Amino acid sequence: DQQVKQNSPSLSVQEGRISILNCDYTNSMFDYFLWYKKYPAEGPTFLISISSIKDKNEDGRFTVFLNKSAKHLSLHIVPSQPGDSAVYFCAASRGELDTGNQFYFGTGTSLTVIP
Amino acid sequence: SQTIHQWPATLVQPVGSPLSLECTVEGTSNPNLYWYRQAAGRGLQLLFYSVGIGQISSEVPQNLSASRPQDRQFILSSKKLLLSDSGFYLCAWSVGGRQYFGPGTRLTVT
Repeated sequence: DQQVKQNSPSLSVQEGRISILNCDYTNSMFDYFLWYKKYPAEGPTFLISISSIKDKNEDGRFTVFLNKSAKHLSLHIVPSQPGDSAVYFCAASRGELDTGNQFYFGTGTSLTVIP
Repeated sequence: SQTIHQWPATLVQPVGSPLSLECTVEGTSNPNLYWYRQAAGRGLQLLFYSVGIGQISSEVPQNLSASRPQDRQFILSSKKLLLSDSGFYLCAWSVGGRQYFGPGTRLTVT
């Protein structure tokens, strides 16, 4: 059962425009959410996170929005750059503190930024 | 700083052969360790996680097994590989609510 879903397998955006990647989850116990970026043949790298006590977290060109009532989060990249082309994974867990909790990953969205 | 190593980077194995993938972490002690698999067209599937030496939790029934013989060493094994075992295998460790991934091993079972 996929508890974290990314319904768009791919997304293409023009350079300089906004990229919006979406993620939905089903488990209301999740309270910590992360986005990872992955290039081919490499391990994912942490991008940005958000705790359920917030509805927005910003880091440079990257902003994550959380809508707890809708169990939905999104990653906004503004402005998009060709180097942002990668697969983006959404992940969720039941605790920000490291207690050995599982991290549940979505299936990923492949972003292509067109120069 | 912490570093995670995985080897080999790529591996081609025939069906029915054994498998051993190794992961080691440097710069931290008593990390939580994870094995994931990314199959073609799929997300990251958690296979095993470990909160300490000799403590392994399996998430998916399969012909794979994991062991943690030392604090910072995590091994993924199989006695007989299946075609469906092909994929990109990732080791990860976690701290402070974040997971950090190794470079991965591309396994092709022929």
